[in-house]
Parts: sequence; structure tokens; C-alpha cells
Amino acid sequence: GESVGLHLPTLSVQEGDNSIINCAYSNSASDYFIWYKQESGKGPQFIIDIRSNMDKRQGQRVTVLLNKTVKHLSLQIAATQPGDSAVYFCAERPSGGSYIPTFGRGTSLIVHP
Amino acid sequence: KAGVTQTPRYLIKTRGQQVTLSCSPISGHRSVSWYQQTPGQGLQFLFEYFSETQRNKGNFPGRFSGRQFSNSRSEMNVSTLELGDSALYLCASSRTTRGTEAFFGQGTRLTVV
Repeated sequence: GESVGLHLPTLSVQEGDNSIINCAYSNSASDYFIWYKQESGKGPQFIIDIRSNMDKRQGQRVTVLLNKTVKHLSLQIAATQPGDSAVYFCAERPSGGSYIPTFGRGTSLIVHP
Repeated sequence: KAGVTQTPRYLIKTRGQQVTLSCSPISGHRSVSWYQQTPGQGLQFLFEYFSETQRNKGNFPGRFSGRQFSNSRSEMNVSTLELGDSALYLCASSRTTRGTEAFFGQGTRLTVV
């Protein structure tokens, strides 16, 4: 079956650095790709999404890049802060039918002060 | 505005028992989805309700069921609990079934002993 996966389970960075979290997907029919952040003891929190007809989308300190040629998605966090420490999930949403997103396993981002 | 509220936060049950978890969505949100989160399987979709109707169901046995009330509050029930049902159960609400931005509650941590 098709799935969403992540390249690295853990990413450690220094405060102030830029972070890049990667995600591979295999369902070329997905119409949206979504990033969530989950802090310890909390539920996932929506960060940003990108539609499949876009290559790049920017939010506040975050940028999502979509490379459909290699089916790769990345989340870039600028000037990473200790409060960014969390598990980050990518999810893909099918273009029709259920619209239920499939989540990847997650990458743990650790920001060292 | 108030976020998604899940009760209880923690539960300990014995194998064979049943359990009911509750979710109150954000006011105005009519779509409620349930997910099971475990370290081994990640976030897995259980079911989605919209306007008191189950719209989608994930690949879980019939022991897992749910319902939604006219005020959009939702409950999920797990009967004949197994050790493998130990997990964090998350509820997410959104305005519609097609939105990408879902708001998650803090979850109910269920431990089956």
C-alpha cells in the first residue's frame, strides 16, 4: 500500500539554526500535504499545508517545499527556538473520497539552547 | 475560543472491560475524527463523524465504535479491551469534512492491564 514516511527519526539543532525536516510520500494522487507539530503531552497542532499544485508555501518562520518529481516534502523552520522542540508529522490527504489524511511516523526535533 | 476537550485524560482498564471516551469539539465545528496513537503504529485513523453520521471508518475491528450527538459532541467506545488497545486516543475537530486544518484535543491516555 502507499504510505507516508520520514527520513530521520530525530533531528538535533542549536538554537538559532535553521531546521529542515524531510518527508517522503508515495501517493501521487494526494491533493494536500500537511505538517503538524506535537509537543509532549499535547495533541498535534496544525502548522501549515500545501496544495499539490504548489511548490512552496511560507508561513511564520516556516516554509514548506514540495517536490513532486521525487515525491518529497520538507518543512523548514527558520531561527529555531527551544519552543520548537516537538515531534513533527507530515500527512497527505487524498484528492477524493474520504479526505482522511494519512500521517507519517514523525520526526523528533530537539533544539539545544 | 475554547479548544477541543477530551475526557478523561487518563484511564486504566482491565482486559475484557469496555471504555467510553468523550470529545467536545470547538464550537461551530461539525466534523469530529478519532485517531489512535501508539509508538509502533503512529497516528491511525479510527473514524470520522459529521452531523451525527459516520462518514469514514478506518481499519479497526468492530470493538471500536463511536457516535456523534446533535451538539457535535462525540464519544468512542471500545469493548472487550485488549492489551494492544493501550494508546493515546486523539479527537480532532474541523468545520467541514474537507478542511485540512484539524484541531486536536490533548487526548485520552488509555492503559489496559
